Amino acid sequence: AQKVTQAQTEISVVEKEDVTLDCVYETRDTTYYLFWYKQPPSGELVFLIRRNSFDEQNEISGRYSWNFQKSTSSFNFTITASQVVDSAVYFCLGGKLIFGQGTELSVKP
Amino acid sequence: GAGVSQTPSNKVTEKGKYVELRCDPISGHTALYWYRQSLGQGPEFLIYFQGTGAADDSGLPNDRFFAVRPEGSVSTLKIQRTERGDSAVYLCASSSRWDTEAFFGQGTRLTVV
Repeated sequence: AQKVTQAQTEISVVEKEDVTLDCVYETRDTTYYLFWYKQPPSGELVFLIRRNSFDEQNEISGRYSWNFQKSTSSFNFTITASQVVDSAVYFCLGGKLIFGQGTELSVKP
Repeated sequence: GAGVSQTPSNKVTEKGKYVELRCDPISGHTALYWYRQSLGQGPEFLIYFQGTGAADDSGLPNDRFFAVRPEGSVSTLKIQRTERGDSAVYLCASSSRWDTEAFFGQGTRLTVV
């Protein structure tokens, strides 16, 4: 069975702080894809980043960076210099079908 | 269209009634997914189509739920004999391939009273 665990239910930071969201994806598949989505108060899920299981390089895109480690099944997502507009619920998606429970990020001015 | 479109945006129905929820995916996207999301929860997978066929329907909770995609584009999620526990936001998403990111619609908020 597949399982996505987001252990952090809520995170609160002050603007300009860096914040890392954790995700662990458990699966028996050897090849899979992982995604991060953002759900702002408006409700629509917005795609952020995608990673495949055979590429463990860390990447940076603007204020976003992500770290994938296959050995620990962890796919962590970091927002650098957070902004109030980053306030949302962030979901990790494993294998296209299984979402985590989400981490609610609150960025205060 | 430019994005995934779901209609209606809101649906209120009485317990025991039949409802249909529609999803128009992004043009050319062969993969289509249905999820439902209850308040405070992550989206829960229902069914995944590749083209016209259901590639994985393991998430459908029971036989009151059924989905079709007859021409490989528009999909309809059908719920028979609705129950109050079916109340949720039903989300549809599409992607160009299985391994690419999916884009979500705004969802249909279903309320069973």
